[in-house]
Amino acid sequence: RKEVEQDPGPFNVPEGATVAFNCTYSNSASQSFFWYRQDCRKEPKLLMSVYSSGNEDGRFTAQLNRASQYISLLIRDSKLSDSATYLCVGLGGGADGLTFGKGTHLIIQP
Amino acid sequence: NAGVTQTPKFQVLKTGQSMTLQCAQDMNHEYMSWYRQDPGMGLRLIHYSVGAGITDQGEVPNGYNVSRSTTEDFPLRLLSAAPSQTSVYFCASGQGATNEQFFGPGTRLTVL
Repeated sequence: RKEVEQDPGPFNVPEGATVAFNCTYSNSASQSFFWYRQDCRKEPKLLMSVYSSGNEDGRFTAQLNRASQYISLLIRDSKLSDSATYLCVGLGGGADGLTFGKGTHLIIQP
Repeated sequence: NAGVTQTPKFQVLKTGQSMTLQCAQDMNHEYMSWYRQDPGMGLRLIHYSVGAGITDQGEVPNGYNVSRSTTEDFPLRLLSAAPSQTSVYFCASGQGATNEQFFGPGTRLTVL
């Protein structure tokens, strides 16, 4: 079974700080990666896709390191509203779709 | 667009009962899937469909059936509910398996 591994946390971070998560994947054939955000008792929602060249969306930056088989998410100037669980997601290339990590729980403290 | 809708939001069953969780999407997505989410286990794929009339098993299919008679609907049937099926069930849809997946709000199921 393809695996995507994440540190479950929780990460307790003061408001305004920078926080980074890593996620490792075991299937070297994985072609696409995503970060999803899931709020308590809600459905997962796409935060951002992860491209080979890395990508940035406001305070969020995602990076892919194929040689070491990990992806990262960096959040700058963290806000209280960033408190959530962040799910790392990979695609194996088959029709069975996404492989989800178990999520990293982030708590931003005032 | 309503996106992905699921009913019911909550359900309590007794062991051995059967029921159907409903899922519908209005985005004309070919790909639909069902996941269950349990504490400490993350999201696990139950069944998926790449188009009307086509379904396949995911990681944890035992005890569940699906059908896809239309592009819009993808119901999940529990044949004989067991306490191990207590979970939160999410339906998702996307243009394809490799594209962004849109999730429904979930069904919280308790089997006594």
